[in-house]
Amino acid sequence: AQSVSQHNHHVILSEAASLELGCNYSYGGTVNLFWYVQYPGQHLQLLLKYFSGDPLVKGIKGFEAEFIKSKFSFNLRKPSVQWSDTAEYFCAVSTYNTNAGKSTFGDGTTLTVKP
Amino acid sequence: DVKVTQSSRYLVKRTGEKVFLECVQDMDHENMFWYRQDPGLGLRLIYFSYDVKMKEKGDIPEGYSVSREKKERFSLILESASTNQTSMYLCASSDGGTANYGYTFGSGTRLTVV
Repeated sequence: AQSVSQHNHHVILSEAASLELGCNYSYGGTVNLFWYVQYPGQHLQLLLKYFSGDPLVKGIKGFEAEFIKSKFSFNLRKPSVQWSDTAEYFCAVSTYNTNAGKSTFGDGTTLTVKP
Repeated sequence: DVKVTQSSRYLVKRTGEKVFLECVQDMDHENMFWYRQDPGLGLRLIYFSYDVKMKEKGDIPEGYSVSREKKERFSLILESASTNQTSMYLCASSDGGTANYGYTFGSGTRLTVV
């Protein structure tokens, strides 16, 4: 079975600082990779996704992630964070299943951006 | 623009009660999922369904069952609620069949069992 590890449980940054959230997964086959975000009081929403092709994917709100197959990693980055990026971030991996593609999630990283 | 709707935002139930959590999606997705979200544990898959009347256990199915009588509706049932089932329950749907193109989540139901 696949698993997902997010290295940081809580990250605190000042506005304009650069962000990198680590995500590693364990699975030997073909995967789809995702980052989701949950803003305070809101539902989880998809931030970006990787299926194939260019390993550097861009998502909403200036976020990007790089898939490094040799390292089983899919780290999330943003060059300059804003106070509004304060949220919980979840990395997820999905494998091709007999009946339905289902995702396994990491434990989440809480990002606090100080104004 | 609402796509996945969970019928209750907050629920309080007593130990031993039978609890129904309802989820409806309007995107004609084949796949629907129930997760529970607990602090520090992320999201854990309870059950999922890939077609009407078709279901499969997730990672933590004990104490739960599901029903999918119509494509748009997926219900989670707690047969006899217990305090360790106090949690946030999230419903999600996706297309992509045996792949996964990304989930659309509902707003969640925060269930407290007393």
